[in-house]
Amino acid sequence: KAGVTQTPRYLIKTRGQQVTLSCSPISGHRSVSWYQQTPGQGLQFLFEYFSETQRNKGNFPGRFSGRQFSNSRSEMNVSTLELGDSALYLCASSLSFHYGYTFGSGTRLTVV
Amino acid sequence: GQQVMQIPQYQHVQEGEDFTTYCNSSTTLSNIQWYKQRPGGHPVFLIQLVKSGEVKKQKRLTFQFGEAKKNSSLHITATQTTDVGTYFCAGEDDKIIFGKGTRLHILP
Repeated sequence: KAGVTQTPRYLIKTRGQQVTLSCSPISGHRSVSWYQQTPGQGLQFLFEYFSETQRNKGNFPGRFSGRQFSNSRSEMNVSTLELGDSALYLCASSLSFHYGYTFGSGTRLTVV
Repeated sequence: GQQVMQIPQYQHVQEGEDFTTYCNSSTTLSNIQWYKQRPGGHPVFLIQLVKSGEVKKQKRLTFQFGEAKKNSSLHITATQTTDVGTYFCAGEDDKIIFGKGTRLHILP
């Protein structure tokens, strides 16, 4: 079966712009989580959605937002980009709570 | 808030030597998960431990969950070059928190 698909794979944006990243989970998975990965901070939890509802949120500013659609696909948006937002953004899907996550290959965002 | 600490941050071993990474949570966990990320890749789920004192094995990998469900370890016996990567633990309470990972380097 198809894995978790993230688009785009790479993105270069200018400081101050906004960006939308997309994630298609494994078919049947209703939980989608987003993580920011940087060399210094490791995997930082952004938010988790389950059945279109945000279940949990990490400690990121309000510039970071997300949503989940009825087909479980998810998007995350970052507004007013800063240089420090440059990172690998990973999406992970899971069947439900307390199950292991399957990660996508990520979107590498570079802010210049 | 909930914190998950993982040590060591880096580990260099000779091929064939054993390797262990440790994970400690500030709170009692409902479960702990382990992931492996190869260089340039994304984290891949290895295993989930749920029960207090649980021990699970996958070939040369042994995973343990502490009695108090606040700590865990991953032990690799006789490392091989294919074991190179970063190993993350992820503790789940009301949300899942990843440790910063242990990067394993294998010296041939």
